[in-house]
Amino acid sequence: EVQLVESGGGLVQPGGSLRLYCAASGFTFSSYWMHWVRQVPGKGLVWVSRISSDERISSHADSVKGRLTISRDNAKNTLYLQMDSLKVEDTAVYYCARATSDTRNSLDVWGQGTMVTVSS
Amino acid sequence: QSVLTQPPSASGTPGQRVTISCSGSSSNIGSNSVIWYQQLPGAAPKLLIYRSNQRPSGVPDRFSGSKSGTSASLAISGLQSADEADYYCAAWDDSLNGVVFGGGTKLTVL
Repeated sequence: EVQLVESGGGLVQPGGSLRLYCAASGFTFSSYWMHWVRQVPGKGLVWVSRISSDERISSHADSVKGRLTISRDNAKNTLYLQMDSLKVEDTAVYYCARATSDTRNSLDVWGQGTMVTVSS
Repeated sequence: QSVLTQPPSASGTPGQRVTISCSGSSSNIGSNSVIWYQQLPGAAPKLLIYRSNQRPSGVPDRFSGSKSGTSASLAISGLQSADEADYYCAAWDDSLNGVVFGGGTKLTVL
């Protein structure tokens, strides 16, 4: 079964750090572009970042640039989001998602999401 | 405020056809394909349309997408109660070098 499972979310103080994990299974992880998308409960989807299948290319939304960093380990079938200098406005459910095999940005497999709460 | 503009709500009765619009600019919809997602309450988003008008396998042909210039539309025909959900459009933005989403449209089946 094709599956993405996020973990690592939780409560953290402003200025703190957190690392999110996304474990992939059921497909050849190293062949797909991967993304992080976040959503404040009750609000809309917001794109965070993406990374190429070979890790060479990554991009981040301006709102998180320099603070949140996407990476991956194809040997471990795992996607990461390193979150530093967290702000209250980073509070959201974070989804990892896979792009289709023939596109870079159409997301056909999503995880269940992990909640990140930034609060003092 | 979202880069792509969608109406906040839409509604229809069972069996009816409804359309949801998505307006952008030359740097996103005008030069890249449009993607549509469906998000049921309490669930992760689901890919509905990609490359502006392509349906992934398993998505009923009641759902169709179109694009013209800097705008796009999602049409749902034969509306069902199970279609009640939030719908989001998205596209790559060449100026922002990132994916941009619409604010979402809440579809109510009356």
